[in-house]
Amino acid sequence: DVKVTQSSRYLVKRTGEKVFLECVQDMDHENMFWYRQDPGLGLRLIYFSYDVKMKEKGDIPEGYSVSREKKERFSLILESASTNQTSMYLCASSRGLGEQFFGPGTRLTVL
Amino acid sequence: SQQGEEDPQALSIQEGENATMNCSYKTSINNLQWYRQNSGRGLVHLILIRSNEREKHSGRLRVTLDTSKKSSSLLITASRAADTASYFCATDDNNAGNMLTFGGGTRLMVKP
Repeated sequence: DVKVTQSSRYLVKRTGEKVFLECVQDMDHENMFWYRQDPGLGLRLIYFSYDVKMKEKGDIPEGYSVSREKKERFSLILESASTNQTSMYLCASSRGLGEQFFGPGTRLTVL
Repeated sequence: SQQGEEDPQALSIQEGENATMNCSYKTSINNLQWYRQNSGRGLVHLILIRSNEREKHSGRLRVTLDTSKKSSSLLITASRAADTASYFCATDDNNAGNMLTFGGGTRLMVKP
């Protein structure tokens, strides 16, 4: 079974903390994505990566950074968490323009 | 930016009825995909239709694509309570590499 896993299902952090969200895929996909999902706003792309050490900004990169040191792992970093980053974070991977495979999501609450 | 926009935003039907959801988009595309999301979970891919295709079937799902109107529809026939979920269309902009742009979704409730 193909799989995308995310390090936590639920996470609670305090304002100003540095937050790491990890995503791992076992399908040898070159593309990996981080989205956030908020009610009424749908899914918005934060960053994506098309190869190891490569990254591209999505629609809402401000306040976030990413790291892709290995093909199977894509990390999303909140350098200094703020309350407006409370959201559901979804990781996905794909090969080319085809279907994206999603992880189960991490619901992050920043207090 | 939101390229795909689903309509309606919410839909409530009885088990056994058909459910139709629509998606409109703005730019030229390579393909359009439909995804399903159960509450609080990740998205699951349902079907992909290429820009040179007009209709595609998968089990109880039927997807149409009209590139002249920049619109697509997803039909679920003989709905079941287990079809209750949110449904999203996603398009890939010809100029946006491998990125997908998702619409806001249609929340479908199927009552037993």
